[in-house]
Amino acid sequence: SQQGEEDPQALSIQEGENATMNCSYKTSINNLQWYRQNSGRGLVHLILIRSNEREKHSGRLRVTLDTSKKSSSLLITASRAADTASYFCATDAGTSYDKVIFGPGTSLSVIP
Amino acid sequence: DTGVSQDPRHKITKRGQNVTFRCDPISEHNRLYWYRQTLGQGPEFLTYFQNEAQLEKSRLLSDRFSAERPKGSFSTLEIQRTEQGDSAMYLCASSSDSYTGELFFGEGSRLTVL
Repeated sequence: SQQGEEDPQALSIQEGENATMNCSYKTSINNLQWYRQNSGRGLVHLILIRSNEREKHSGRLRVTLDTSKKSSSLLITASRAADTASYFCATDAGTSYDKVIFGPGTSLSVIP
Repeated sequence: DTGVSQDPRHKITKRGQNVTFRCDPISEHNRLYWYRQTLGQGPEFLTYFQNEAQLEKSRLLSDRFSAERPKGSFSTLEIQRTEQGDSAMYLCASSSDSYTGELFFGEGSRLTVL
């Protein structure tokens, strides 16, 4: 089963624009993570936000978390062609820190 | 340490054959995960280990799938009597026990069942 659902499924933008992806989840969580995957490769961790945090930044990435709405957003500012990839949110099950469940992902295309 | 490694990277087999994938996690990581990913989908949880103990196994996993982690080091995922629906990327990830939650993924093993 998938805990998170990303929106949109696919996003195409011009280089230099900002990209926003959203994630909704179903049960309470301890933390939420965002990962990136280039085609045919493994996933790479981008950022983790804990349930008691509302916003977090890492370079050109900004993540927000709204636990009341059970949703998170990932903003990539000043996008580059190299940002073209699939982005996944992942959550724990809320009762255990051990199991990590991924959503279906957003496919981002950044056009040079 | 060079990260999580998986072997083989690609496997083509005929329906009905058995296949085995190996994962070598980052050496100090005691948690190891297996996921399955099909094209255009997110990774689907299969199972995870803490040291040598298999703590959870997805209900989606049929009895044709088995995973082991002897001595809490490398892990193997075996699929018996493969079916065409088993064609997917099998991803392994590891994490430490420090409650950062971050998973470190290998490059995956792609299985094609003909």
